[in-house]
Amino acid sequence: KQEVTQIPAALSVPEGENLVLNCSFTDSAIYNLQWFRQDPGKGLTSLLLIQSSQREQTSGRLNASLDKSSGRSTLYIAASQPGDSATYLCAVPSNDYKLSFGAGTTVTVRA
Amino acid sequence: DGGITQSPKYLFRKEGQNVTLSCEQNLNHDAMYWYRQDPGQGLRLIYYSQIVNDFQKGDIAEGYSVSRERKESFPLTVTSAQKNPTAFYLCASSIGMDYGYTFGSGTRLTVV
Repeated sequence: KQEVTQIPAALSVPEGENLVLNCSFTDSAIYNLQWFRQDPGKGLTSLLLIQSSQREQTSGRLNASLDKSSGRSTLYIAASQPGDSATYLCAVPSNDYKLSFGAGTTVTVRA
Repeated sequence: DGGITQSPKYLFRKEGQNVTLSCEQNLNHDAMYWYRQDPGQGLRLIYYSQIVNDFQKGDIAEGYSVSRERKESFPLTVTSAQKNPTAFYLCASSIGMDYGYTFGSGTRLTVV
């Protein structure tokens, strides 16, 4: 069974600092890995989807890397802003369509 | 715009009552899912459906039921057998594992 771990559980940084969020998974035979953002009381918003054949994916200030062999993905957020405060989740699908989620990293960006 | 619509946003259930949460998608996705989210426990899969008229139990299906009569709709019924239904419920859909998953905005269910 795929196990997904996210470290740290919480992170607080001053505005302008770069954020580094980590995600690890136990079974390296993944199809892809997806990063989500969740604001309090809201649904999940997809940020980036990295296919197993890719090493990284970028969208604006967000960059996600994937190292299948070591079972790791890292989400980088450049020049953080207070609006980046949220919980960030990573997830990987299994071959029966089900998603395995990490517990998330809660980010607070201080103005 | 394509997306997933969950309704209602907030729902209150009395003891012994069944309630139904709605999930509709216009993304033409084949697969749909229901997740439950509790503080400190992450997301747990309740039921999922890969095609119309077929669905499978997830990790915490007891006390819940679903139907999939149309491709666009996957309603979840929380029955009186579910002893601790207060939670945030999320519906999701996917066209296939290669293309990622889309989530709705959620329904918060509270027992009163």
